[in-house]
Amino acid sequence: GQNIDQPTEMTATEGAIVQINCTYQTSGFNGLFWYQQHAGEAPTFLSYNVLDGLEEKGRFSSFLSRSKGYSYLLLKELQMKDSASYLCAVRESGGYNKLIFGAGTRLAVHP
Amino acid sequence: NAGVTQTPKFRVLKTGQSMTLLCAQDMNHEYMYWYRQDPGMGLRLIHYSVGEGTTAKGEVPDGYNVSRLKKQNFLLGLESAAPSQTSVYFCATSRRETGSSTDTQYFGPGTRLTVL
Repeated sequence: GQNIDQPTEMTATEGAIVQINCTYQTSGFNGLFWYQQHAGEAPTFLSYNVLDGLEEKGRFSSFLSRSKGYSYLLLKELQMKDSASYLCAVRESGGYNKLIFGAGTRLAVHP
Repeated sequence: NAGVTQTPKFRVLKTGQSMTLLCAQDMNHEYMYWYRQDPGMGLRLIHYSVGEGTTAKGEVPDGYNVSRLKKQNFLLGLESAAPSQTSVYFCATSRRETGSSTDTQYFGPGTRLTVL
């Protein structure tokens, strides 16, 4: 079956670093996306991994290990505006760019 | 350049009523998707379309119908609304797969539907 697991909630302090983990078991794999979703808004794209390793983009980095079915999103120098939900999504290998989403991790950043 | 738009933004229905949600895009994307998002369950795919005139079922299609008569529009219909269809509905679009980060889906602002 298809299963994507993320922690439900996390809290962190402004200026700190936080790592949000995602594990997946899917029938096929063709890439992993991370999205940010502020309350009441649409998800927006953060990062994409298709090969093993680390992708860095400013304060955000994402890591993938295909053999372990594992990814993480690393947020550095946390700001209050980073308080949001973070969605992990696996692209299926059957085509048509279909995604399977985890339930999301709600991150609260406090002063 | 509006990207992906959805109408309406909010709607309240009574059980048994029907309605149509409209998704429009000006990104010239081939693929379009309808999701519902419920607390604790993440985004679940209802139906999707890979081109004008084509539609296919997703993970949770029951109780919904879709149509894509024009490339830029994707309609989601509820023929007889039920309280279980209370949710936030998101439309998304994407280009054909190339294996790069530009394959990401782009989401509309969402429609908040309550069925009483």
